[in-house]
Amino acid sequence: GQQLNQSPQSMFIQEGEDVSMNCTSSSIFNTWLWYKQDPGEGPVLLIALYKAGELTSNGRLTAQFGITRKDSFLNISASIPSDVGIYFCAGQLSGSNYKLTFGKGTLLTVNP
Amino acid sequence: NAGVTQTPKFRVLKTGQSMTLLCAQDMNHEYMYWYRQDPGMGLRLIHYSVGEGTTAKGEVPDGYNVSRLKKQNFLLGLESAAPSQTSVYFCASSYPQEQFFGPGTRLTVL
Repeated sequence: GQQLNQSPQSMFIQEGEDVSMNCTSSSIFNTWLWYKQDPGEGPVLLIALYKAGELTSNGRLTAQFGITRKDSFLNISASIPSDVGIYFCAGQLSGSNYKLTFGKGTLLTVNP
Repeated sequence: NAGVTQTPKFRVLKTGQSMTLLCAQDMNHEYMYWYRQDPGMGLRLIHYSVGEGTTAKGEVPDGYNVSRLKKQNFLLGLESAAPSQTSVYFCASSYPQEQFFGPGTRLTVL
């Protein structure tokens, strides 16, 4: 099946620092989604991207749909302790019945 | 709105037992999905449905069956549970691109 390479696998940062993570693929996607999962909970949608080059913000979060349509980036500015969790990227291929291919996640730890 | 709900939250089965996981959504979404989440494996699609009365196989369908008799419900069945099916199961619904997830069911098969 399709694979998304998400990096880094984990990050340990200090409160107030900015964070960047990304996903890359050999396939072209027509939609990119970013989710956050807290321990014991289901993934929660953070940002959805629909056009190549699109840059979308949600509070301190900013995500971009890569120009090649094979990658996406998520940035978190001025991190706070509640940003702790696992962040997943997910992509949708054209004609896939809106099925998502997920990255394996980035575990973010924020040190107060 | 409750969004996507799943029952039960936790379940322990013995090898060979059967069970059904229920997913319900109140958002009138056409599409529904069942995933399993295992450490280091991310989320993998088991089965999905593009509308009432339809089902289709995902990436890892073996050992599972599904039914979508009503638009708002999507059932996942395990006919003969195996230890390899120990996992956390998530249901999601969408209309159509953005998927919304339930809180999950943690299943242990002994």
